[in-house]
Amino acid sequence: DAGVIQSPRHEVTEMGQEVTLRCKPISGHDYLFWYRQTMMRGLELLIYFNNNVPIDDSGMPEDRFSAKMPNASFSTLKIQPSEPRDSAVYFCASSGGWEQFFGPGTRLTVL
Amino acid sequence: LAKTTQPISMDSYEGQEVNITCSHNNIATNDYITWYQQFPSQGPRFIIQGYKTKVTNEVASLFIPADRKSSTLSLPRVSLSDTAVYYCLVGDAGGGNKLTFGTGTQLKVEL
Repeated sequence: DAGVIQSPRHEVTEMGQEVTLRCKPISGHDYLFWYRQTMMRGLELLIYFNNNVPIDDSGMPEDRFSAKMPNASFSTLKIQPSEPRDSAVYFCASSGGWEQFFGPGTRLTVL
Repeated sequence: LAKTTQPISMDSYEGQEVNITCSHNNIATNDYITWYQQFPSQGPRFIIQGYKTKVTNEVASLFIPADRKSSTLSLPRVSLSDTAVYYCLVGDAGGGNKLTFGTGTQLKVEL
């Protein structure tokens, strides 16, 4: 398996624009997690899904953030509109048990 | 979720054994202790997990005393490539374990 796949790897956008981050989990994993990492706040869990259903979105910072998982092999994290303080590395992780497997991350820069 | 406390940073030299201790005074009966490693520009990856006594794998050993209020990650004969951030996490090991990452310990290995 290729592991967790995220795209794009880097995204530079301007304030106010919509940003969509994509994740393909490891096949067979039934949990999917979205994290955000910044120097100031460290690694934060934003939301996680079980069998494509959102279980806990308490970490989503604002209504500008939304996440979907239309099927077992794809998830998106959308920010609309984006703001400079959203600049961070966004990680997707998947799990079939207790161990989480992280993707390479998407480095988002909002100018 | 049990709160964890670990040193912010540690320095070592190649070939030495490194021990990173984590305190988790409020660990619950069902909680497991898990360590993740994160290299720059990568997502965290699982190192080792344990419940009590000692666990060893090809990468590290994990020592957990009887009261389970602390744990020690031991890295034998470190090399430059072990320079990374090491996170101690405590929580239910069931599927969909909601991980709460603290600040981690930045290990720097020098020649």
